[in-house]
Amino acid sequence: GQNIDQPTEMTATEGAIVQINCTYQTSGFNGLFWYQQHAGEAPTFLSYNVLDGLEEKGRFSSFLSRSKGYSYLLLKELQMKDSASYLCAVRDKGTGANNLFFGTGTRLTVIP
Amino acid sequence: NAGVMQNPRHLVRRRGQEARLRCSPMKGHSHVYWYRQLPEEGLKFMVYLQKENIIDESGMPKERFSAEFPKEGPSILRIQQVVRGDSAAYFCASSPSSGANVLTFGAGSRLTVL
Repeated sequence: GQNIDQPTEMTATEGAIVQINCTYQTSGFNGLFWYQQHAGEAPTFLSYNVLDGLEEKGRFSSFLSRSKGYSYLLLKELQMKDSASYLCAVRDKGTGANNLFFGTGTRLTVIP
Repeated sequence: NAGVMQNPRHLVRRRGQEARLRCSPMKGHSHVYWYRQLPEEGLKFMVYLQKENIIDESGMPKERFSAEFPKEGPSILRIQQVVRGDSAAYFCASSPSSGANVLTFGAGSRLTVL
């Protein structure tokens, strides 16, 4: 099976930097994804890591350590519109090739 | 190029009725996934389908739930004899047929069982 853990809630200040951590356990790791989900809307893809290291995409970066079963999503220069849930998901080789298993999500609140 | 289209966006049913949720994948995508999201909980995988085939239904409840993805038309998630615990948002996602790719999600169908 898969086990994915991330904090339930976080609060950060506009303009600041926030790091959202995710730890996972899976028998056949085949990639880690971060999605953003605003309340009542579809999850939207943010980033994908399959090799160790940092992937940077504008204000968002994602890091992966496969040996530690650990990832984080880094958001820089926070904006009010970044208030959303951030979902960590892993893909497992043992299931359908593209199937993703999600954590419960981290609800980020950005305050002025 | 329209994204993943789900309908209805909101559905209200009384206990014992049937609910049918439809999903049209992105153009060119032949893999469809259904997820359920309960209030304050994460997305839970239900079923993964390709055209005319169920690839993985390990997340589907054993009774009352079924899914199909016919050769023509949208994928359908069917819930028979709904109960209050079925109230949730049901998200569909799709991906292209080849390789391991990002899932693109639809806006979801919100089922409320009275």
